[in-house]
Amino acid sequence: KQEVTQIPAALSVPEGENLVLNCSFTDSAIYNLQWFRQDPGKGLTSLLLIQSSQREQTSGRLNASLDKSSGRSTLYIAASQPGDSATYLCAVTHGSGNTGKLIFGQGTTLQVKP
Amino acid sequence: ETGVTQTPRHLVMGMTNKKSLKCEQHLGHNAMYWYKQSAKKPLELMFVYNFKEQTENNSVPSRFSPECPNSSHLFLHLHTLQPEDSALYLCASSRSDRGSETQYFGPGTRLLVL
Repeated sequence: KQEVTQIPAALSVPEGENLVLNCSFTDSAIYNLQWFRQDPGKGLTSLLLIQSSQREQTSGRLNASLDKSSGRSTLYIAASQPGDSATYLCAVTHGSGNTGKLIFGQGTTLQVKP
Repeated sequence: ETGVTQTPRHLVMGMTNKKSLKCEQHLGHNAMYWYKQSAKKPLELMFVYNFKEQTENNSVPSRFSPECPNSSHLFLHLHTLQPEDSALYLCASSRSDRGSETQYFGPGTRLLVL
């Protein structure tokens, strides 16, 4: 059974720091991996999607990497800002991708202090 | 705005009540999803619909009854719920139920069962 773990559960950093969020999954047979952001009262927003054949994806100050064989992904946030404060969720699509069944980690709650 | 709306945003109900959650997507998508997010557990998929047909039921108790009258609307009918069913219920949609498609989430309904 696929399980997704995110470390740390919570993180507090001063503004301007570069930071790394970690995600691990137990079964390397994934179709893709996504990073989401969840703001209170606003649901989830997809940040980056990495296909199983890719090593990384970048969007602005965000960079996500994927090491499928070791079951790990990292989300790198450069020059953090208070507006980055949110919960970040990692999710994998298992198997062949025939279904969109996402398996989520519990998330990392980030606070960026001004 | 993600184009996915949910009503009500907050709901308090007793264990003998019957209520319904509503989700509507304005994105022209064909697949819709219900997820449950409990306080101390990862976000969990409940149901998937593709072109109004249910394609996934993740072993959800029968006290939760989904309904998808068309590709734009999804309901979750609730009856005789338990206090442990208190959670944030999120709806999502995507172009199809394939794993390659990005899912767009609504803001959720916060449910409290007394």
